[in-house]
Amino acid sequence: DAKTTQPPSMDCAEGRAANLPCNHSTISGNEYVYWYRQIHSQGPQYIIHGLKNNETNEMASLIITEDRKSSTLILPHATLRDTAVYYCIVTQNDYKLSFGAGTTVTVRA
Amino acid sequence: DTGVSQDPRHKITKRGQNVTFRCDPISEHNRLYWYRQTLGQGPEFLTYFQNEAQLEKSRLLSDRFSAERPKGSFSTLEIQRTEQGDSAMYLCASSSIEGVRETQYFGPGTRLLVL
Repeated sequence: DAKTTQPPSMDCAEGRAANLPCNHSTISGNEYVYWYRQIHSQGPQYIIHGLKNNETNEMASLIITEDRKSSTLILPHATLRDTAVYYCIVTQNDYKLSFGAGTTVTVRA
Repeated sequence: DTGVSQDPRHKITKRGQNVTFRCDPISEHNRLYWYRQTLGQGPEFLTYFQNEAQLEKSRLLSDRFSAERPKGSFSTLEIQRTEQGDSAMYLCASSSIEGVRETQYFGPGTRLLVL
């Protein structure tokens, strides 16, 4: 699986959009980009995934660059409950997720 | 749909003891996964089942670890002769196929402390 690089931490103001970057410059053509998050003391929660096209669901939007070497997860209106560790995972094996250290996102009132 | 459940949520044991954890997946999910998470790190894949068949095991799963899913429903993870290095959160997930990809749904985890 391709390696991902995420900033270790970021802050966001409540009510504003949170843009979480992820670099995956060695991604191959059949690898998907997945995002999960983990709120303190809970199991990881699926957010969204994509291959080439931008994706949106009720939780977030995923923007993947045309060369697929990076992506951005957008939380449109961050709330205090969005404070969590966010993991960007690149994999062709959807049965064996490889989590890195993730980005610790703190939403501040 | 009550989600993935795990039991117990917390376990404290002494080094050398055996422990067993249980995972109940979301009903009708045919895939079940075990991960381990140590403090400050992301979860690491241990093993997964498709129905009752264990299809892959990580090298992290030493001989002291065994997982079963006897009837393709709940699963157990047993650790024999526990060591202090086994202290971690043990996470279970299950999945169903949505479209052409599977989404894993995680349980709350079992936090193990080996003294």
